[in-house]
Amino acid sequence: EADIYQTPRYLVIGTGKKITLECSQTMGHDKMYWYQQDPGMELHLIHYSYGVNSTEKGDLSSESTVSRIRTEHFPLTLESARPSHTSQYLCASSEYASGNTIYFGEGSWLTVV
Amino acid sequence: AQSVSQHNHHVILSEAASLELGCNYSYGGTVNLFWYVQYPGQHLQLLLKYFSGDPLVKGIKGFEAEFIKSKFSFNLRKPSVQWSDTAEYFCAVSNTDKLIFGTGTRLQVFP
Repeated sequence: EADIYQTPRYLVIGTGKKITLECSQTMGHDKMYWYQQDPGMELHLIHYSYGVNSTEKGDLSSESTVSRIRTEHFPLTLESARPSHTSQYLCASSEYASGNTIYFGEGSWLTVV
Repeated sequence: AQSVSQHNHHVILSEAASLELGCNYSYGGTVNLFWYVQYPGQHLQLLLKYFSGDPLVKGIKGFEAEFIKSKFSFNLRKPSVQWSDTAEYFCAVSNTDKLIFGTGTRLQVFP
């Protein structure tokens, strides 16, 4: 079982503020992901990474950006938050050896007011 | 494009009833199949997965799923549900690239 840590768990922030959601995993997994999930709705892949210095856009367009400078760290940044960004953001990681089984963090609930 | 369909959006059952949640996917190549569960207020957890071999897969908490390749299906089953099974269930499909989720099925079990 992978250990995935996300901070903050809950955040309420004003419109126009810059925020960074942190995600770290301790299992040395190559691949990391960010999913966005509105309450009661499906998960949408917004970013993923194959490894260090690799970042890819997911299936759902997002104004957020990500970086992967270290294997264990995959932060997501919103330069200027808007109410439409209010959602839950789920970080996950996987390794090829496990057949791409993905393990999730507990999520970061973002509310933009 | 890869897609996953979960037919039941909301299922309500009494304890001890049998459960079957449908999942169909569209992808022509080799896929890995997963069911994830999200209990209220908790993070997504892996329930079971299928990579190859026996198409009947057993997971945690008495759940099982059957891969039927000809039907592109991977339905989740449990013979007798418990109140603690109340949760959101997500079917997911991956190739070597990424994991695509279905829309989820909300299961409510009443005592």
